[in-house]
Amino acid sequence: GESVGLHLPTLSVQEGDNSIINCAYSNSASDYFIWYKQESGKGPQFIIDIRSNMDKRQGQRVTVLLNKTVKHLSLQIAATQPGDSAVYFCAENNQGGGNKLTFGTGTQLKVEL
Amino acid sequence: KAGVTQTPRYLIKTRGQQVTLSCSPISGHRSVSWYQQTPGQGLQFLFEYFSETQRNKGNFPGRFSGRQFSNSRSEMNVSTLELGDSALYLCASTIRYSTDTQYFGPGTRLTVL
Repeated sequence: GESVGLHLPTLSVQEGDNSIINCAYSNSASDYFIWYKQESGKGPQFIIDIRSNMDKRQGQRVTVLLNKTVKHLSLQIAATQPGDSAVYFCAENNQGGGNKLTFGTGTQLKVEL
Repeated sequence: KAGVTQTPRYLIKTRGQQVTLSCSPISGHRSVSWYQQTPGQGLQFLFEYFSETQRNKGNFPGRFSGRQFSNSRSEMNVSTLELGDSALYLCASTIRYSTDTQYFGPGTRLTVL
């Protein structure tokens, strides 16, 4: 039958506000987590990563928080800009598993002027 | 440093045909992974090659295969194409380990008619 597209959660924010994108992961053995940004017509672009021995990591305008107890990951974007509009994916990996990323379904971030 | 390149960028095939996609990793990267992205299933791992050997494999039928050459370039092949194989096929390269950043190419858009 006809495939149904994944319903991407959408987050709409005003330019200049902070954005928080959330992700739940499933594999307790995952020990490496990555956030990617995908713009229309392009491949995923690396934003920031975090290993399981950390609970917070900061980059330029971005912060990733990891809560292993509830298997939750979040990406915070400070002072959101129009260029931040894209689909954001979290991905998990297992150090013993080679380069085999498991991706979340993605969140569409829309920045309103 | 040049990024990951994929050729061709667009392909149109008919059911039953086969197709070969190519990926050139970032210079110095030895691991190449392939992913399929569809609206219905999202981003799914196909396989990973390292040092010309398949190191990981996803849950795809045997119609999907790949290989890696001594210069780390990789190809994937899909035989007996089905309508459901229409997707964006993404290649990602990394230096070696699962905690090394995976960098994605722009993808090959395959349409099966």
